[in-house]
Amino acid sequence: DQQVKQNSPSLSVQEGRISILNCDYTNSMFDYFLWYKKYPAEGPTFLISISSIKDKNEDGRFTVFLNKSAKHLSLHIVPSQPGDSAVYFCAAKLGGFKTIFGAGTRLFVKA
Amino acid sequence: EAQVTQNPRYLITVTGKKLTVTCSQNMNHEYMSWYRQDPGLGLRQIYYSMNVEVTDKGDVPEGYKVSRKEKRNFPLILESPSPNQTSLYFCASSLMIGVSSGANVLTFGAGSRLTVL
Repeated sequence: DQQVKQNSPSLSVQEGRISILNCDYTNSMFDYFLWYKKYPAEGPTFLISISSIKDKNEDGRFTVFLNKSAKHLSLHIVPSQPGDSAVYFCAAKLGGFKTIFGAGTRLFVKA
Repeated sequence: EAQVTQNPRYLITVTGKKLTVTCSQNMNHEYMSWYRQDPGLGLRQIYYSMNVEVTDKGDVPEGYKVSRKEKRNFPLILESPSPNQTSLYFCASSLMIGVSSGANVLTFGAGSRLTVL
C-alpha cells in the first residue's frame, strides 16, 4: 500500500509557464514533506521541504503548498525553464528518520 | 566536495554470484540508507543504519545484507542475486540532529544499475 502517491507519471509544460506537480498521502503522522529532483544518471537531489505545521514554503521559483485536510501537497515552479526537466519525487518523513517516496513525475519543459 | 560515492555504477551479473555494492560518504553523517528504484514504485528503502554497528531493515530487505563497520562506509551485499533484484540502487546519507531530525534531508549517490541474468 503506497502511502505517498504521485498519480501523474509525466507532465509537459511550455517554457515560462507554471508547472504544478501533485502528491497525495495517506498517513496523517508524516511530520515533513520533501521534494527531490532527479536528472538522468544522477542521484536525487533535495529541492524544497515543508513542515506539517505549515501550509506554504517558498524558495525562489519553487513553492510547495500543503493541504492537510485533503492530505495533498503540490510543487509549483514559476516560471518553468528547460533545465527544470527532470523526475520529481515527492517524499514524506514519518517521525524519526524514515522517509517514504512516491513513484515520481517526469516533467518536460518545452522551449 | 561533499558527496556519497557508490561503486560500481553499472554491473551485469548472473544468478547466484555474490556481489557487493560499496557506498562511502565524506560528510561525517551518522545516518545511511540504501534504496532501490523500480518503475512505478519510486524509491523503496532496503536497509538503513543510524550509526556504526547499528543497522535495521527497511521495507524490502529480503535478499540483501548490509554492514556498518566504519561511519563513512555502508556496503550493500547480495549473497545470491536473483533476476528480481535487477534494479537501480541508491545509497543516501544524512545528519542526525537529536531525536527528531527535522526534514532529514538526504544526500544521494549517483546510483548503481544492477542487472541479474
